[in-house]
Amino acid sequence: EIVLTQSPGTLSLSPGERATLSCRASQSVSSVYIAWYQQKPGQAPRLLIYGASTRATGIPDRFSGSGSGTDFTLTITRLEPEDFAVYFCQHYGGSPRNTFGQGTKLEIK
Amino acid sequence: QVTLRESGPALVKPTQTLTLTCTFSGFSLSTNGMCVSWIRQPPGKALEWLALIDWDDDKYYSTSLKTRLAISKDTSKNQVVLTMTDMDPVDTGTYFCARMCATADYWGQGTLVTVSS
Repeated sequence: EIVLTQSPGTLSLSPGERATLSCRASQSVSSVYIAWYQQKPGQAPRLLIYGASTRATGIPDRFSGSGSGTDFTLTITRLEPEDFAVYFCQHYGGSPRNTFGQGTKLEIK
Repeated sequence: QVTLRESGPALVKPTQTLTLTCTFSGFSLSTNGMCVSWIRQPPGKALEWLALIDWDDDKYYSTSLKTRLAISKDTSKNQVVLTMTDMDPVDTGTYFCARMCATADYWGQGTLVTVSS
């Protein structure tokens, strides 16, 4: 079973800065099966990235994803106030079908 | 417009069985390639995928919870039902349904389930 480990647990940055969030898989996975979500308090998650690097519909281009093998990254350039939230990575298609990371909280410094 | 809504009890007692219903619109579970998943989230913690049912009535479950879960669909009513047996206080959390075969592009608002005597 694939385990996803996200780091850091909490990231403190200021608006306008660049955020780099990491998701590490316990074994090599196809980048086709990595996604990222954003979740704000009291809300359901929102799909940001799928296939490791493809932005979902309506997602601003300041969000980008990259990576391969076991290491994947979500980058947010020029943080906006509405970007401060919790971010989860997901692996799909394996056994079990879906696995989420434990999340990274992006907070305002 | 795709929407999903979860419904079910807000409070269940330990050892009881939880039954949740996801009522959706804007897509059909009889359409090739469509699936609905259930995902839960304990307060302040991570997302945990629970189960998935697809258009062909294939069912997939979390490895750790599969002995306690059952997922089913009623295509005519646009509903998916999840049952979880032997509820425990550690099962307290928000339960979401989502349109999700691989990635979840549409989510319900979630329903908070508390397990307490």
